[in-house]
Amino acid sequence: DQQVKQNSPSLSVQEGRISILNCDYTNSMFDYFLWYKKYPAEGPTFLISISSIKDKNEDGRFTVFLNKSAKHLSLHIVPSQPGDSAVYFCAASLAGGTSYGKLTFGQGTILTVHP
Amino acid sequence: GAGVSQSPRYKVAKRGQDVALRCDPISGHVSLFWYQQALGQGPEFLTYFQNEAQLDKSGLPSDRFFAERPEGSVSTLKIQRTQQEDSAVYLCASSLAPGIYEQYFGPGTRLTVT
Repeated sequence: DQQVKQNSPSLSVQEGRISILNCDYTNSMFDYFLWYKKYPAEGPTFLISISSIKDKNEDGRFTVFLNKSAKHLSLHIVPSQPGDSAVYFCAASLAGGTSYGKLTFGQGTILTVHP
Repeated sequence: GAGVSQSPRYKVAKRGQDVALRCDPISGHVSLFWYQQALGQGPEFLTYFQNEAQLDKSGLPSDRFFAERPEGSVSTLKIQRTQQEDSAVYLCASSLAPGIYEQYFGPGTRLTVT
């Protein structure tokens, strides 16, 4: 039962354009969402996050949008750079103390930014 | 240390062997997580420690998997009698405290069982 889904295995964009990565979830109890970036042979690196009480969070070139009614979030990267080429994982965490903040991840989307 | 470190980075084990994977979290981080990442998939939760207490081991796939964090810092994930389906990358992550959602990951240990 995949509670967090990234339906696009890969995305290719031109340098300078916008990259939009999508993520859907099924568990309405998720209350915090994160995006991680992963280069080969390295662990995931935290990129940006959003609480369920917000619908947008921005950090430099990265913006995350959350649509709770649709159970959908997206990561926008503007402008995209070749160094952004990596695997991007969406992750979600449950509300409440007993979750301890453990993360449920999507399958990942491989982003390739062409010069 | 600056980040989470894991050792070994790569481990090849013959089926039936026992392995031990080590994680050094960021100093002062209370929460420590282990995840398993199969090829082409996202990380999947294995177990959680709050200091030395293992509060959640619901993700451990079988009783061959055992984890400990005896002094509340370094953690070891042990897999007994390894099977081919145990081949994966094992990731360790730490966070400052429970409820602090941002987790910092180590580089992982790639385990190959032949």
